[in-house]
This record gives sequence, C-alpha cells and structure tokens, in this order.
Amino acid sequence: AQKVTQAQTEISVVEKEDVTLDCVYETRDTTYYLFWYKQPPSGELVFLIRRNSFDEQNEISGRYSWNFQKSTSSFNFTITASQVVDSAVYFCALSYNQAGTALIFGKGTTLSVSS
Amino acid sequence: DTGVSQDPRHKITKRGQNVTFRCDPISEHNRLYWYRQTLGQGPEFLTYFQNEAQLEKSRLLSDRFSAERPKGSFSTLEIQRTEQGDSAMYLCALSFPSSTNEKLFFGSGTQLSVL
Repeated sequence: AQKVTQAQTEISVVEKEDVTLDCVYETRDTTYYLFWYKQPPSGELVFLIRRNSFDEQNEISGRYSWNFQKSTSSFNFTITASQVVDSAVYFCALSYNQAGTALIFGKGTTLSVSS
Repeated sequence: DTGVSQDPRHKITKRGQNVTFRCDPISEHNRLYWYRQTLGQGPEFLTYFQNEAQLEKSRLLSDRFSAERPKGSFSTLEIQRTEQGDSAMYLCALSFPSSTNEKLFFGSGTQLSVL
C-alpha cells in the first residue's frame, strides 16, 4: 500500500530561520512520483515540485530546496531564510504517475513564520 | 489564477438532503479530478475524468456520490442523502493536456457543512 507520513504537525519559526519539513513515504512501486504542495490560508493548493523515483538529484529553487533519498524513503523540504509569507500548510504527496492522478497526500505540516 | 473555478464556495445543508457542486475550467483541460479534504487532513482522491470519460474512482466514492463531465469541460459532483461525515472541502483539480511537465492545478474548493 502507498502511504505518506509527515510526522511534524506544526512548526513555528521566526523570520530568517531555516526550516526543514520531513516527508517519509511507503510504496511497492518501482516507478513513482513525489510532490510537495503548499496550501496558504486562502485554501488553494499550490504545486511546488514533482520528483520521479529515478531522479535522486537534489533540487534548489530560490529559497526552497528538496532532498530526495530513496535509501530512507524520504523527500524532505527545506526553506532557507523563512519569511512570513511562507506560513501555510505544506503537503507531501505520492503518485504512481507523473500527472499525479490519485495522489496520496500526507496529513500536512502547518508552518507558522513570525516576524 | 489556476484556471479552476468552483461553485459554490460554501454550502450548508441538512442531513438527508442532496447537494451538487460544480467545477468550471477556465481554459482547455482534458483531465479533471475531484478530491475531498477534511479538517487537519490531506486531500483524498475521489475520481478522475479524461475528457468526458470517468476513468478512475476511489472506494471513498460511495453509491451516494456521482460525478459527471457531460461535454468534457465542466464537471458536477452530486452527493445524495448527505450525512454529517460528508462535511469537508471538495476540491476540483485540472491538468493541462500534452504537457511534458504535467501537474495538477487545484481550485479553491467548495466547503460543505452537513447539519
């Protein structure tokens, strides 16, 4: 069965701190896709990144970076120099196809960044 | 703007009543998805259309739930004989056709409260 675990329910940091959101997944598929989504207070889920199971290269996009390690089944997300606008719920998700149909989401991590 | 419009934003109904939600893509998409999100949880996949064909249904989609996409554009999700456990945010998501970097764009959702 496929499963995504985000053990951190809530994280609070002060602006400019770095923060890492953990994601551990379970799947028996050899080909799968991992995603991160952001859900700000407005409610819309915003796509952040997709990574396939054959690409373990870490990725950096501005203040965001992702660390994918198949050996530990983890896909962690780090925000460097956090800002108040980063406050949101962040979801890690798993799918067997690149389009992300039938996404399996974790329960989310609520990040609060204070000034 | 994600190109996904959902109506209504909020719906309050009494237990046992039928409700219908609508999802309107602003531009052309060939894949449309419905997800459900309860408080403190990640979204759960319900069903998926490619054009007008409903290709995948979650076991979460009981007999009281029916989704349609009659002309391959807008979609409706109907819940018959609503129960209090149906209270949730119902999210519609779309993906662009022929994209090598396909990803889901979510709408703001319809918040259903069953009294």
